[in-house]
Amino acid sequence: KQEVTQIPAALSVPEGENLVLNCSFTDSAIYNLQWFRQDPGKGLTSLLLIQSSQREQTSGRLNASLDKSSGRSTLYIAASQPGDSATYLCAVSGRNFGNEKLTFGTGTRLTIIP
Amino acid sequence: DGGITQSPKYLFRKEGQNVTLSCEQNLNHDAMYWYRQDPGQGLRLIYYSQIVNDFQKGDIAEGYSVSREKKESFPLTVTSAQKNPTAFYLCASRQGYTGELFFGEGSRLTVL
Repeated sequence: KQEVTQIPAALSVPEGENLVLNCSFTDSAIYNLQWFRQDPGKGLTSLLLIQSSQREQTSGRLNASLDKSSGRSTLYIAASQPGDSATYLCAVSGRNFGNEKLTFGTGTRLTIIP
Repeated sequence: DGGITQSPKYLFRKEGQNVTLSCEQNLNHDAMYWYRQDPGQGLRLIYYSQIVNDFQKGDIAEGYSVSREKKESFPLTVTSAQKNPTAFYLCASRQGYTGELFFGEGSRLTVL
């Protein structure tokens, strides 16, 4: 059974700093891994999708990496801004007994201090 | 603009009533999903559908029902059999197993 862990559960950093969020998963047989952000009371917004054959994806100040063999992904945020404050979730797609399976982590709540 | 529309945004229900949450997508995606999110907990899968007229139970399907009569629509009914229905409900869609997953803005259901 796939398990996805995000540590720490909460993180506070001063504005302008670079930071890394972590996501680990137990089963390396995945199709892809996706990072999302969620603002309070809102739906999830897709940030980056990394297919299993890829090592990283970049979008603006965000860079996500994937190491399937070690079951890890990181989301790097450069030059953090107060608007980056949100909960960040990762999700992995795979198969479970012939059925597709999406497994989410419980998220890291990020606060950027002005 | 392409996307997923959930309605209503907020819904109040008396105990013993069934309510239906709407989810419509114009992304031409085959797969659609319903998740439940409770404070401090991760997303839990209620039902999913990979094709019209077919759907599968997720991890917490008891007390819920769905239909998929059209590709763009996947309504969720929260029945009176659901013991603890107060929650934030999220609908999502994607194309196939490897497509990017997109979410709606969510519907918050409160049982009075």
